Amino acid sequence: EDQVTQSPEALRLQEGESSSLNCSYTVSGLRGLFWYRQDPGKGPEFLFTLYSAGEEKEKERLKATLTKKESFLHITAPKPEDSATYLCAVQEAGGTSYGKLTFGQGTILTVHP
Amino acid sequence: KAGVTQTPRYLIKTRGQQVTLSCSPISGHRSVSWYQQTPGQGLQFLFEYFSETQRNKGNFPGRFSGRQFSNSRSEMNVSTLELGDSALYLCASSLGRGSSSYNSPLHFGNGTRLTVT
Repeated sequence: EDQVTQSPEALRLQEGESSSLNCSYTVSGLRGLFWYRQDPGKGPEFLFTLYSAGEEKEKERLKATLTKKESFLHITAPKPEDSATYLCAVQEAGGTSYGKLTFGQGTILTVHP
Repeated sequence: KAGVTQTPRYLIKTRGQQVTLSCSPISGHRSVSWYQQTPGQGLQFLFEYFSETQRNKGNFPGRFSGRQFSNSRSEMNVSTLELGDSALYLCASSLGRGSSSYNSPLHFGNGTRLTVT
């Protein structure tokens, strides 16, 4: 059974204080690892997909990296508007279904001005 | 391009009743998936529909069912509601296909908040 564990559960940063969120996963075969951002009262918003170890993707202040066992979401010089819950999810390889993701519990990020 | 639309946004039902939730996917997306989100269990996969056929199903009781129409719009139904069914129900759409180097990501709506009393 696929498992995804995110740490820390909550992270409080000062504006401009860079940090990283961790996502550890167990899957028999990885089709893709996804990062989402969720704001209160809204659905998850897609950020990145990573496919293989060593891959990196960047978007504004966010950078996602992938190894064979974990992924990191690095936040550089965060701003208050980066405050949200960040979710990591994996999709298992094989089969014709592309709609099933296994999610972690998320990291609640709060950035203070 | 319009995003995923879910209706209604909020619902209050009584134990034992049934409820139907609706989802309109992004134009051109043929796959619709449903998720349940609760504080304790997080996001859990319910089922996926592709071209009107259920392609995958999660570990939920048979009270949870769904369907997809020819225009890719989808509905999910929960019968004989229980207090534990109170949750945010999220619908996500995607192209529903991929390759070894690309997955069509899931795009989520803002959900339907169901409260069972």
